[in-house]
Amino acid sequence: DTAVSQTPKYLVTQMGNDKSIKCEQNLGHDTMYWYKQDSKKFLKIMFSYNNKELIINETVPNRFSPKSPDKAHLNLHINSLELGDSAVYFCASSHPGETYEQYFGPGTRLTVT
Amino acid sequence: QKEVEQDPGPLSVPEGAIVSLNCTYSNSAFQYFMWYRQYSRKGPELLMYTYSSGNKEDGRFTAQVDKSSKYISLFIRDSQPSDSATYLCAPGGNYGQNFVFGPGTRLSVLP
Repeated sequence: DTAVSQTPKYLVTQMGNDKSIKCEQNLGHDTMYWYKQDSKKFLKIMFSYNNKELIINETVPNRFSPKSPDKAHLNLHINSLELGDSAVYFCASSHPGETYEQYFGPGTRLTVT
Repeated sequence: QKEVEQDPGPLSVPEGAIVSLNCTYSNSAFQYFMWYRQYSRKGPELLMYTYSSGNKEDGRFTAQVDKSSKYISLFIRDSQPSDSATYLCAPGGNYGQNFVFGPGTRLSVLP
């Protein structure tokens, strides 16, 4: 009965490849997010979707493209991977009026070689 | 000045100690103040939140906000080894909109 799940948990790939990370939540939340946590542990928001619509798009390279097929899923596709993309990517979800309480997935550890 | 600052630690204390974790922020528009806890190799989880200035207590945890000095504190009483984690303060706007995570303080409680 996992609340927010992500796949894969680990991803090792070479520079230049394209990869996707999937996220699903079974909490009935309308809002979902992608965060990046770098090697220094800074956790920064990348995207936010409310009911399948993009509402936050922080300054990230356009090689990153989120896709929300329905409000329970938010996937992250990354084109032309670079060494600097190596990080842990977290998906999260919340109710729209309770943004302060976000439920995070276990993270996807991406390593680009 | 960074938007949210925390002492990165690591902070090591013996079991049973009182722990004080602190955070400063620069945006005076922040209204909600959250503390998230992140265990190693896990996603963050909300520990507690407060609205505006004042104190809030939840079991062994007390959150304190002083908006006049833009200073947030989290106190842990009778600390336990299970409290060993990174604590992220996260101030934000109304209902937590656009909140910003601090860099986190790593706490280690030694048995």
